[in-house]
Amino acid sequence: AQSVTQLDSQVPVFEEAPVELRCNYSSSVSVYLFWYVQYPNQGLQLLLKYLSGSTLVESINGFEAEFNKSQTSFHLRKPSVHISDTAEYFCAVTQGGAQKLVFGQGTRLTINP
Amino acid sequence: EAQVTQNPRYLITVTGKKLTVTCSQNMNHEYMSWYRQDPGLGLRQIYYSMNVEVTDKGDVPEGYKVSRKEKRNFPLILESPSPNQTSLYFCASSLHRVQPGELFFGEGSRLTVL
Repeated sequence: AQSVTQLDSQVPVFEEAPVELRCNYSSSVSVYLFWYVQYPNQGLQLLLKYLSGSTLVESINGFEAEFNKSQTSFHLRKPSVHISDTAEYFCAVTQGGAQKLVFGQGTRLTINP
Repeated sequence: EAQVTQNPRYLITVTGKKLTVTCSQNMNHEYMSWYRQDPGLGLRQIYYSMNVEVTDKGDVPEGYKVSRKEKRNFPLILESPSPNQTSLYFCASSLHRVQPGELFFGEGSRLTVL
């Protein structure tokens, strides 16, 4: 069965500092990978996705994630965070023919001024 | 505006009192799903539906029922709620029946069972 591990439950950083949120998945077959963001008191929103092609994918608000097949990782990065990035971030995976998305436990990103 | 609408957003109830959380989407999506979110556990799938009259169990279906009589609606039914069903519930939909990675989520329904 697929599984997703987010290695940090909480990540505190200062504003304008870089951040990396780590995500590892277990499936060895072809996978599709996603990062979702949940702002306080809201539902989840798709942040970015890897389906095929370039292993580096970007979001419109400056986040990027790199698919690393050999390390089965899909870490999320941003070179300079803003207060508005405060949220919980979820990594998720599905695989070919699957009918569900499996989520990690979530990482709470806290930005300090 | 494309959206997934859940009701109620907040509910406090007592053990054994049947309740229904409604979910409706206006995007003509075939795939719909219910998740529960608990601290430290992320989101876990309860049930999903690939089309009208087609539903299947997710990872944590015990104590829940669903139905899909219309494409847009996917209600979650708790026949006899118990305190361990206190949680934050999300309904989601996707255009893709297979590999439904691009999910649109509702705003959530926070349920407390006393």
